[in-house]
Amino acid sequence: DAKTTQPTSMDCAEGRAANLPCNHSTISGNEYVYWYRQIHSQGPQYIIHGLKNNETNEMASLIITEDRKSSTLILPHATLRDTAVYYCIVRVGGSYTNAGKSTFGDGTTLTVKP
Amino acid sequence: EAGVAQSPRYKIIEKRQSVAFWCNPISGHATLYWYQQILGQGPKLLIQFQNNGVVDDSQLPKDRFSAERLKGVDSTLKIQPAKLEDSAVYLCASSLTLGGEQYFGPGTRLTVT
Repeated sequence: DAKTTQPTSMDCAEGRAANLPCNHSTISGNEYVYWYRQIHSQGPQYIIHGLKNNETNEMASLIITEDRKSSTLILPHATLRDTAVYYCIVRVGGSYTNAGKSTFGDGTTLTVKP
Repeated sequence: EAGVAQSPRYKIIEKRQSVAFWCNPISGHATLYWYQQILGQGPKLLIQFQNNGVVDDSQLPKDRFSAERLKGVDSTLKIQPAKLEDSAVYLCASSLTLGGEQYFGPGTRLTVT
């Protein structure tokens, strides 16, 4: 079973910020939060990840609550090309033997509207 | 930098036939993953390799599915014999290290009739 809970779908107006929530209340101390997205008929694309600090890259920002039980992916200025399924995953990082094993849920379908 | 390559992109077979998929990961990536994605669901991990050794194959249906990564580079996933419920997209991913971010290929869409 997936270790995260996400809303099934969300809409966002083009040019506005898209805020995608994720609940991971059972996250362990050595587990990272990863976000991927999957545009129709393509393989998933890595977006961003974090352990406990907020992170930002050229694609998005990741806000992790202090207790690490939830996080929010922020796309600052959504475009029509951001329409996709967004997956939030928690998994072990580093060199642990179970590192990398990812359990995907069904994700959030984000639709960006003109 | 070239991405993860997969072939074929599409395959249609009849049930009880066999099929093989090929994956070439990003150069230098030690870890390779095979996922199965059924329509409307998220990807499900089938097997994970670190170089040419299996790290995790707990969700691989070993009675009909097999995978190998003989030289620690490219990999093949085989299904024999196929069932109707094997219809899915088979995704290959690679990462530089065991815990690193994963980069996915375009997938192979399998239809079993």
